[in-house]
Amino acid sequence: EAGVTQFPSHSVIEKGQTVTLRCDPISGHDNLYWYRRVMGKEIKFLLHFVKESKQDESGMPNNRFLAERTGGTYSTLKVQPAELEDSGVYFCASSHEGYGIDEQFFGPGTRLTVL
Amino acid sequence: QKEVEQDPGPLSVPEGAIVSLNCTYSNSAFQYFMWYRQYSRKGPELLMYTYSSGNKEDGRFTAQVDKSSKYISLFIRDSQPSDSATYLCAMKGRSGGSNYKLTFGKGTLLTVNP
Repeated sequence: EAGVTQFPSHSVIEKGQTVTLRCDPISGHDNLYWYRRVMGKEIKFLLHFVKESKQDESGMPNNRFLAERTGGTYSTLKVQPAELEDSGVYFCASSHEGYGIDEQFFGPGTRLTVL
Repeated sequence: QKEVEQDPGPLSVPEGAIVSLNCTYSNSAFQYFMWYRQYSRKGPELLMYTYSSGNKEDGRFTAQVDKSSKYISLFIRDSQPSDSATYLCAMKGRSGGSNYKLTFGKGTLLTVNP
């Protein structure tokens, strides 16, 4: 069974441009999470979907970030316009139940560089 | 004060050594304690988890949680070069808004030398 996949693996853009990251969770996982790791910092939670609904987006940095999960399948994270401080690795994870020890399976991440 | 503190290392040990990794935390609501392993250019992968206090052993790995001290540890016995990776502690609560989102430490980069 395929794991969590993310596209692209690496993106280099200019400040002010728009970038869209995509995540395909494990089939059947209702819960989808976005996390981000800025260089030198810990991995931080951005938001959580249950199916197509945003359960918690308290970790989203500002309104330049927009996440969607159409039909409760794949998810996109758009950054518009990108700023230098948005550089980092964006991880997507998915899980079945969402609560308890329910394991979150992580994708390989998208490395975003904003110049 | 950060919710989770973890010494980023790096830590370099010879093959066969016992490795001790640890994290401290400040949020008393944390009930689930996890260790993730992350190889270069890969996503984190769950290695072990513990619910509340106590020890858990899985092969060469032992996880310990001391809630009274807000301190968790991961021990690796007979370390192998294939154990070389970044080890991240992660925690989450049991209810409400904290029962699904993981709070991570910075991760400790471990190198096991042959």
